[in-house]
Amino acid sequence: SQQGEEDPQALSIQEGENATMNCSYKTSINNLQWYRQNSGRGLVHLILIRSNEREKHSGRLRVTLDTSKKSSSLLITASRAADTASYFCATEAGGTSYGKLTFGQGTILTVHP
Amino acid sequence: DTAVSQTPKYLVTQMGNDKSIKCEQNLGHDTMYWYKQDSKKFLKIMFSYNNKELIINETVPNRFSPKSPDKAHLNLHINSLELGDSAVYFCASSQSQGDTIYFGEGSWLTVV
Repeated sequence: SQQGEEDPQALSIQEGENATMNCSYKTSINNLQWYRQNSGRGLVHLILIRSNEREKHSGRLRVTLDTSKKSSSLLITASRAADTASYFCATEAGGTSYGKLTFGQGTILTVHP
Repeated sequence: DTAVSQTPKYLVTQMGNDKSIKCEQNLGHDTMYWYKQDSKKFLKIMFSYNNKELIINETVPNRFSPKSPDKAHLNLHINSLELGDSAVYFCASSQSQGDTIYFGEGSWLTVV
């Protein structure tokens, strides 16, 4: 079954604005990873956040994790046209699912110049 | 230098054929994976190998057979291709389970 649910499914903003994407999941996790996929390309890893972490930063990216609400958010600040892509969250649960990523359906972000 | 490379990038083939997709990683990782992305962009794991040993085998038809000759390679062989096999297949690797998983550029398979 699909673990992650992403919200919104599509987001359209102007260059310079911030973009926030949310991800909810159902079972306990070991870590959560965010990926970007440009049209017709592969998946680019953005950030991994572990279950004992609450926030991580990488450049213009900020990821939060709330394990009590089983949710995560990805914030892209000062967006650029080049940020236009699909963004996926993926969770890795423990136990027998260790090593297996379960993906959400993704958020399509469009940044207008 | 490409960390996870897979070939071919595009493959168009007829139903009933047998085809292979090759994958190599130069990151020195111990764990490799195959994921499938369907037409709605939904990604799902197919297999994972750790040090050439099969760890995860999701409910995948046995027409799909992964082969890991060494820990840097994980190839995917598909027998008797069906229309429903059309998808993008991604190879990936990680140092071990629980670490960042790095994906290749994908192989676009179209079965006609």
